[in-house]
Amino acid sequence: NAGVMQNPRHLVRRRGQEARLRCSPMKGHSHVYWYRQLPEEGLKFMVYLQKENIIDESGMPKERFSAEFPKEGPSILRIQQVVRGDSAAYFCASSPQADSGNTIYFGEGSWLTVV
Amino acid sequence: QQQVKQSPQSLIVQKGGISIINCAYENTAFDYFPWYQQFPGKGPALLIAIRPDVSEKKEGRFTISFNKSAKQFSLHIMDSQPGDSATYFCAAYGYYGGSQGNLIFGKGTKLSVKP
Repeated sequence: NAGVMQNPRHLVRRRGQEARLRCSPMKGHSHVYWYRQLPEEGLKFMVYLQKENIIDESGMPKERFSAEFPKEGPSILRIQQVVRGDSAAYFCASSPQADSGNTIYFGEGSWLTVV
Repeated sequence: QQQVKQSPQSLIVQKGGISIINCAYENTAFDYFPWYQQFPGKGPALLIAIRPDVSEKKEGRFTISFNKSAKQFSLHIMDSQPGDSATYFCAAYGYYGGSQGNLIFGKGTKLSVKP
């Protein structure tokens, strides 16, 4: 886990507010993945990004959710108009390149609570 | 998303016993099979992984057995210790259905090792 930095670790939002989750990949890693974990469930793939590009967003909800990984700065997962069902742990992972499933490392997660 | 099926959902083992967790997958496009260990409030940490050209891999007390023809793989924890109490996730990585490559997780097994 060392090296993939996520913040905030815990975030509380009221229904209808926006949540922004940040992820700085490990040094030397240019690929970022976002996963969501609901209580007592496994991790669900959301989106895969490279610098300035969304490679695969097949797991992203069609509305309210967006992700970016700018040339400079962290990757951001943005959830607009949050609802109670968005309450979950959101994990970011990074790897140095594609085609390298054996070097995907996860951060400690951001726990979102919607009240 | 392609499924990875994991069992059992929970497991209680006495200290010193063997913990066995099983997973099955459907799509032969998967080519890398890691196991992750997750403690409460933490991110998943890579434990051990195997590729389909190998039938078994051992690292310390942890062994993966892989049956390519049956599309099944399992994690064995020998001499289980209370410190092994955690949730374990199997995963599969590969390119399928137009995806750009990502990890698909099982739903997890909550292991409790009793002293």
